[in-house]
Amino acid sequence: QSVLTQPPSVSAAPGQKVTISCSGSSSNIGNNYVSWYQQLPGTAPKLLIYENNKRPSGIPDRFSGSKSGTSATLGITGLQTGDEADYYCGTWDSSLSAGGVFGGGTKLTVL
Amino acid sequence: EVQLVQSGAEVKKPGESLKISCKGSGYSFTSYWIGWVRQMPGKGLEWMGIIYPGDSDTRYSPSFQGQVTISADKSISTAYLQWSSLKASDTAMYYCARSQWLTVYWYFDLWGRGTLVTVSS
Repeated sequence: QSVLTQPPSVSAAPGQKVTISCSGSSSNIGNNYVSWYQQLPGTAPKLLIYENNKRPSGIPDRFSGSKSGTSATLGITGLQTGDEADYYCGTWDSSLSAGGVFGGGTKLTVL
Repeated sequence: EVQLVQSGAEVKKPGESLKISCKGSGYSFTSYWIGWVRQMPGKGLEWMGIIYPGDSDTRYSPSFQGQVTISADKSISTAYLQWSSLKASDTAMYYCARSQWLTVYWYFDLWGRGTLVTVSS
């Protein structure tokens, strides 16, 4: 059971927009920055979004991030078949067992 | 090129020991944290722990404290993850990843390709 809650799967057609939610608590998302990672099949995760809404160099602006309270959202517009992947949110958890935490992951299917 | 290069796949028997490695290059190895992430077959990412090679400050997730040891040799820009007695349940892909920050600003900006560890009798 992950500390951060994500929907197991989402789907949308090519060209459409999709959002993926990540829900936490005051000990993690509520007081720390959120990052998002894309894991294409058979590959290592890659950083998509950091500090809630910043994109590393090379990440297209089709990918966006936002945070409100104890939840965060990843948005992907202009969906492409190459976006089919697992997506994970991550943040720091400041509870007694302090450390990084990830969501359970969301499988994106581009129909 | 900035990269993390991990050691190759391992096949071990239960009870055996193992140490896998992660070598950083193209950046100041002692200025970033190196973390380890487990991904069991068909499952999600799990944060195991992290080390700052500059002073060997190490933090573990409670789930992995006592189960593994994280270390680093800054003279050769390499971090390690080791087990003293493997179990079948340790079968997984293990990723190392780099972070400039801990706590509030934490994220992993660079990942290794992973080391597949298979434990089977």
